[in-house]
Amino acid sequence: GQQVMQIPQYQHVQEGEDFTTYCNSSTTLSNIQWYKQRPGGHPVFLIQLVKSGEVKKQKRLTFQFGEAKKNSSLHITATQTTDVGTYFCAGPRVVTFGTGTKLQVIP
Amino acid sequence: DTAVSQTPKYLVTQMGNDKSIKCEQNLGHDTMYWYKQDSKKFLKIMFSYNNKELIINETVPNRFSPKSPDKAHLNLHINSLELGDSAVYFCASSQGTVMNTEAFFGQGTRLTVV
Repeated sequence: GQQVMQIPQYQHVQEGEDFTTYCNSSTTLSNIQWYKQRPGGHPVFLIQLVKSGEVKKQKRLTFQFGEAKKNSSLHITATQTTDVGTYFCAGPRVVTFGTGTKLQVIP
Repeated sequence: DTAVSQTPKYLVTQMGNDKSIKCEQNLGHDTMYWYKQDSKKFLKIMFSYNNKELIINETVPNRFSPKSPDKAHLNLHINSLELGDSAVYFCASSQGTVMNTEAFFGQGTRLTVV
């Protein structure tokens, strides 16, 4: 079955530093989604990527879909304490979620 | 108005009991899901329904039985609860089309089996 791994599992950054999480799939994906889950909260949709090599930005967040459509990344520039949470990628039809990256931001 | 609501938010029960978690969505979505999130935060799909029809049934013990009386509701019934069932259970819904599967999650139900 499809497996989606994310690295790193945990990341502690100083406020203002950048952060990147990587998502790798064992199979080609027709699309990929990213979600954020705050501590004690539920996953919230951030974005969906569909095209090979696609790059999308949301303020300080940059999302990228790999050329082979088997990997993706989320980069946050100049982290803030509001970025704290666990970031998940998800494969098509939200059947398979990545293992998640838990981000801690030290003020 | 809460888009996806699930009840109860917390559930503490003894081993061997039977319990249900209810989920309702008011988004008009065709597809609903149940996920289990364990203590390591891994999110695993359990079931998916599209227009009241079961379309995904992952390797889940048959003590877990979903029921969808209509496309706005997907309830989860669990028989003979075990300690390992302790987790947070999330209900979600989406339009379910190939190109638009943005999922909206409920607040979660934290199940603790003692």
